[in-house]
Amino acid sequence: DAGVTQSPTHLIKTRGQQVTLRCSPISGHKSVSWYQQVLGQGPQFIFQYYEKEERGRGNFPDRFSARQFPNYSSELNVNALLLGDSALYLCASTLVGTTTYQETQYFGPGTRLLVL
Amino acid sequence: DAKTTQPNSMESNEEEPVHLPCNHSTISGTDYIHWYRQLPSQGPEYVIHGLTSNVNNRMASLAIAEDRKSSTLILHRATLRDAAVYYCILSPFNAGNNRKLIWGLGTSLAVNP
Repeated sequence: DAGVTQSPTHLIKTRGQQVTLRCSPISGHKSVSWYQQVLGQGPQFIFQYYEKEERGRGNFPDRFSARQFPNYSSELNVNALLLGDSALYLCASTLVGTTTYQETQYFGPGTRLLVL
Repeated sequence: DAKTTQPNSMESNEEEPVHLPCNHSTISGTDYIHWYRQLPSQGPEYVIHGLTSNVNNRMASLAIAEDRKSSTLILHRATLRDAAVYYCILSPFNAGNNRKLIWGLGTSLAVNP
């Protein structure tokens, strides 16, 4: 079975540009979360989406936005890039059942973004 | 949000057990304790989670203190592949699906051959 996939794997942008990162969850998983991981730090929560609705938001500026599509894939958009946005962006999917809450998150390999 | 405290780094020898401690003194009664690990250049990988009772799975065991203010991840026989950063995380139990994992800096485990 395919795991969580993310694209692109690497990306180089310049300050002020906009970037879109993509994530496909594990088949059957309905929830997607996005995390930012700066070098040497643990992942920081950005967003969680479930059934196309935002269910959680971390402490990130409005330059960060996301959406989830009917097929449960997701995009993370970052506008007006800053040097400090350079990081590994991780997507995680979760199987959220209607009767049993599955808490295990399955992570993709991430997209490494470098802002120059 | 409740936080966790872990040693920055630990070292072990191959084939020996490893005990990775985590303190979470401000844990609330409904917080789950999760452990994930991150191998170099990879996304995090689920290891184990629990609420009150000790838990075992193929990868590891989780020992939770009676007062739940600390826990220990136990790798029974370390292998070179277990060299990774191990994160102890608390997941607040909220209504609905709005949960997030609060990550710290983790413990970097080195395994010597």
